[in-house]
Amino acid sequence: TQLLEQSPQFLSIQEGENLTVYCNSSSVFSSLQWYRQEPGEGPVLLVTVVTGGEVKKLKRLTFQFGDARKDSSLHITAAQPGDTGLYLCAGTREGRGNQFYFGTGTSLTVIP
Amino acid sequence: NAGVTQTPKFRILKIGQSMTLQCTQDMNHNYMYWYRQDPGMGLKLIYYSVGAGITDKGEVPNGYNVSRSTTEDFPLRLELAAPSQTSVYFCASNTQGAGTEAFFGQGTRLTVV
Repeated sequence: TQLLEQSPQFLSIQEGENLTVYCNSSSVFSSLQWYRQEPGEGPVLLVTVVTGGEVKKLKRLTFQFGDARKDSSLHITAAQPGDTGLYLCAGTREGRGNQFYFGTGTSLTVIP
Repeated sequence: NAGVTQTPKFRILKIGQSMTLQCTQDMNHNYMYWYRQDPGMGLKLIYYSVGAGITDKGEVPNGYNVSRSTTEDFPLRLELAAPSQTSVYFCASNTQGAGTEAFFGQGTRLTVV
């Protein structure tokens, strides 16, 4: 089992729809990041959240860090085909600052 | 800017063979990591390093070895390849460890037959 579980694992939606991806754990994290990965490429950072309850917006993407710092969500408004990709959360555990662990991944397909 | 460079991009190994996956970065990052990614899944940490001469195990270190003789290079060694090691391997680096942006190479796709 992985430390960070993402849901759903796969998501296929029509262009213009909204969606939310969840990243959950039983462990506390001092920070959490979201990455996006396209086929044949390495992940690229979207955002870092460090404070419990923090909300960050990046155009149509909204990221939230849970109050207890055990979970996070990514909400996309009016999805576009260019949003298609694998979304990965990655967390730094409390007291283990040298490692960060990736979630199980959510594969998003936006159909034109 | 080169960033993180991995070689080779693709490799097919026979069971029991050995190989080294190369990773080099030109950003003067202290922290470097090796991950493996199975199809459609997240990344699992194999080994990481916080600086030259210092390495430590991640989640799935069995069957792998690493060294860090310079800041720039962090090779990953497979001594006796097994089919379970078929995966895509990513090398990453960052400046101050977890919580700062990690930069990834383009990956090495390894198949063990």
